[in-house]
Amino acid sequence: GQQVMQIPQYQHVQEGEDFTTYCNSSTTLSNIQWYKQRPGGHPVFLIQLVKSGEVKKQKRLTFQFGEAKKNSSLHITATQTTDVGTYFCAGYPNSGYALNFGKGTSLLVTP
Amino acid sequence: NAGVTQTPKFQVLKTGQSMTLQCAQDMNHEYMSWYRQDPGMGLRLIHYSVGAGITDQGEVPNGYNVSRSTTEDFPLRLLSAAPSQTSVYFCASSYREGTTEAFFGQGTRLTVV
Repeated sequence: GQQVMQIPQYQHVQEGEDFTTYCNSSTTLSNIQWYKQRPGGHPVFLIQLVKSGEVKKQKRLTFQFGEAKKNSSLHITATQTTDVGTYFCAGYPNSGYALNFGKGTSLLVTP
Repeated sequence: NAGVTQTPKFQVLKTGQSMTLQCAQDMNHEYMSWYRQDPGMGLRLIHYSVGAGITDQGEVPNGYNVSRSTTEDFPLRLLSAAPSQTSVYFCASSYREGTTEAFFGQGTRLTVV
């Protein structure tokens, strides 16, 4: 079945440093979504990417969808303590039936 | 709007007991799903529904049943609880399967002893 791999599993940065998490699928995706889950909370939708090579920005967050629509990345510039949480990518396959979530990257930011 | 409402928030069960986790949404979404979240395992799909009267299995369906008699409600039943079902359970809904934003409930933290 489709696998969505996400790395790294954990990342610990100092406030102000940059952070990147990567997502790779074994099959071509129709679209990819990104979610953030704060500690003790529930996943909250951040963004969806649909087009090959698409790049979207939300303030300090930059999302990219690969040309082959099999990989994606989330980059945070100058992290803040409010960025703490787990970031999940979720891929929707071309011939699938449901979102397939990666295992997430847990980000810890120390001041 | 309340969004997606899950009850209860916390539950402790004894091995062999049964229970139902409730999930309701007020956004008129056709697609609803149940996930379980375990440390280091991400979100794994248990069951999903593309509309009232239609359900199907996800990645980890064993030990769970679902039904979808209305658009709003999608309960998850544990038939005979096992310690391996200790987890955090999330219900989610979306306007369309996989291609629109998924809204998650607050989660149910279940412990089976």
